[in-house]
Amino acid sequence: GQQLNQSPQSMFIQEGEDVSMNCTSSSIFNTWLWYKQDPGEGPVLLIALYKAGELTSNGRLTAQFGITRKDSFLNISASIPSDVGIYFCAGQLPNNAGNMLTFGGGTRLMVKP
Amino acid sequence: SQTIHQWPATLVQPVGSPLSLECTVEGTSNPNLYWYRQAAGRGLQLLFYSVGIGQISSEVPQNLSASRPQDRQFILSSKKLLLSDSGFYLCAWSRPRAWDTYEQYFGPGTRLTVT
Repeated sequence: GQQLNQSPQSMFIQEGEDVSMNCTSSSIFNTWLWYKQDPGEGPVLLIALYKAGELTSNGRLTAQFGITRKDSFLNISASIPSDVGIYFCAGQLPNNAGNMLTFGGGTRLMVKP
Repeated sequence: SQTIHQWPATLVQPVGSPLSLECTVEGTSNPNLYWYRQAAGRGLQLLFYSVGIGQISSEVPQNLSASRPQDRQFILSSKKLLLSDSGFYLCAWSRPRAWDTYEQYFGPGTRLTVT
């Protein structure tokens, strides 16, 4: 099936640092979504992107829908301890019957106070 | 506002026993519904999705099955559990295709341990 390559797989940063992660694919996506999952909980939607080139912010988070529609990145500025978790990108391929999403493998973020 | 519930939250079952996990959504009509499984430290694997009552599509052949007896109820079942069925099971919903939006919203999950 289709795959999203998400990198890095894990990051261990100092509190206050900025974070950047991205997803790439060989396929074109109509929609890019970014989720955060805390341990033992379901993923929570952070940002949704619908147009190529779109840049959207949600507080300290900023995400962009790549111009080629094959990639997206998520930036977190001035990280804090509660940013710890697993971040997933997800893309929606054109013309799929059930509005299914293709998920990246996740980026595990660890923040040192 | 919409909410999604899953139960039980945790479950420990012996190999060969049956399974029934339930997911319900409130505050929306005719949602698309999804079951995912997440192995420890891994990504999300789509198991089943449903676009309406009684309509189930399977993405991965296995000993699990899904049913949608009501518009906002989605059930994941097995007749005989395997050790490999252990994992974190997540239910999600999205608006119908006609809305032209594709966000999926996840429930709190069920942690299943098969012993």
